[in-house]
Amino acid sequence: DQQVKQNSPSLSVQEGRISILNCDYTNSMFDYFLWYKKYPAEGPTFLISISSIKDKNEDGRFTVFLNKSAKHLSLHIVPSQPGDSAVYFCAAGYSIRGSARQLTFGSGTQLTVLP
Amino acid sequence: DSGVTQTPKHLITATGQRVTLRCSPRSGDLSVYWYQQSLDQGLQFLIQYYNGEERAKGNILERFSAQQFPDLHSELNLSSLELGDSALYFCASSARQNSPLYEQYFGPGTRLTVT
Repeated sequence: DQQVKQNSPSLSVQEGRISILNCDYTNSMFDYFLWYKKYPAEGPTFLISISSIKDKNEDGRFTVFLNKSAKHLSLHIVPSQPGDSAVYFCAAGYSIRGSARQLTFGSGTQLTVLP
Repeated sequence: DSGVTQTPKHLITATGQRVTLRCSPRSGDLSVYWYQQSLDQGLQFLIQYYNGEERAKGNILERFSAQQFPDLHSELNLSSLELGDSALYFCASSARQNSPLYEQYFGPGTRLTVT
C-alpha cells in the first residue's frame, strides 16, 4: 500500500521555465511534508518542508503547496536551472509517539532541465 | 555535505554472510534513521533510534538489526544475506535542539552488493 505516490517517474522542462512536481498521499494522519533532491551517488538533500497547518511555503526558487482536502502537494521550481536536474522525492510524516518521526517516501520523479 | 557520515561507501559480500554498516549523525542530532533503497525503488524506512532507544520500526527484516551507542553513532547489522538485500542503505539524522524533528539529513549511503 503506497501511502505516498509520485505518479510521474520523469519530467523534462526547458531552462528558465517552471517545473511542477506532484505528490499524492492517502494517510490523513500525515501532518508534515518534505521534498528532497537526490543526485546520483549521493544521499537525498533536504529542500523544503511544510506543516499541515499551512498551505504554502516558499524558499527562494522553491515553493511547496499543500492541498489537504485533495491530499495533494506540489513543488514548484521557478525558474528551473540545469543544476536542478535530479530525482525529487516527496515525503510525509506524523508523530507516532514523542520523538518518533517516521517518514514515508514517494518513489521519486526524475527532473531534467534542458538548456 | 550534510554532516552525516557513513562507512563503508561500498561493500561486496557473498550470500549467507553478515555485514555491519556504520553511521555517525550530525553533531548534536539525537535521532538516527536507517533506510533501504533498492534498484528503481523509493526509500523504505527501516528503523529509528532516539538517544539510544528504538523509537520506530518500519519494514525491517528479522535478519536485520540496529543499535545506537552512547556516543550516538549507529550500526545496522545485516545477517544471512540474500541477493535481494543488494541495495543502497542510507542513514539520516535529526532532532538537534531547536530544529524540526521531521527534517532528516542524509548521509551519502552504503552500496551493498550481495553476490
